[in-house]
Amino acid sequence: SQQGEEDPQALSIQEGENATMNCSYKTSINNLQWYRQNSGRGLVHLILIRSNEREKHSGRLRVTLDTSKKSSSLLITASRAADTASYFCATGGQGGKLIFGQGTELSVKP
Amino acid sequence: ETGVTQSPTHLIKTRGQQVTLRCSSQSGHNTVSWYQQALGQGPQFIFQYYREEENGRGNFPPRFSGLQFPNYSSELNVNALELDDSALYLCASSLLGQLYGYTFGSGTRLTVV
Repeated sequence: SQQGEEDPQALSIQEGENATMNCSYKTSINNLQWYRQNSGRGLVHLILIRSNEREKHSGRLRVTLDTSKKSSSLLITASRAADTASYFCATGGQGGKLIFGQGTELSVKP
Repeated sequence: ETGVTQSPTHLIKTRGQQVTLRCSSQSGHNTVSWYQQALGQGPQFIFQYYREEENGRGNFPPRFSGLQFPNYSSELNVNALELDDSALYLCASSLLGQLYGYTFGSGTRLTVV
């Protein structure tokens, strides 16, 4: 079963704009991770935020976590066409037992 | 260091048949996990192997089984294939207990007809 919902399911923006994706989860967590998937292929780990952190940055990525609302958001700034992919949040993490959301499909138009 | 490799990349099987998918772990990793991803959905955890033993299982029937070998490579076996088994099967390797550092393979696209 899925851990939660991601919103929106699909997002289309122009190059240079910012993209924001949201993720909600159901149970208590130790950490939350975001992954990227190109064209139904393998997943690439983007960033992990621990439950005692509220915000984390990595390059053009900014992740926030609100444990009181059981939600997280991923912001991609100054998007590029190469950012076109599906983005998934995942909780768990002990040795691979990840529980994924349903994903947001991002399309960045040049 | 090498990443995770999966074979084959694509496979077509007939309902009722059996299939074996293969995965070679990233060097230095000691656990292997398998995920099923239906079209338009997020990956769903099937099971994890550590030290050649199943170390956790998701909500999948017993006809989904696996093996991990001493070199940490792994197989996913599915018996009595059903049409709903059509999906992308992803393998991920990691170090047990490590919070992150999961390396995913590119997956095997299984189509059951």
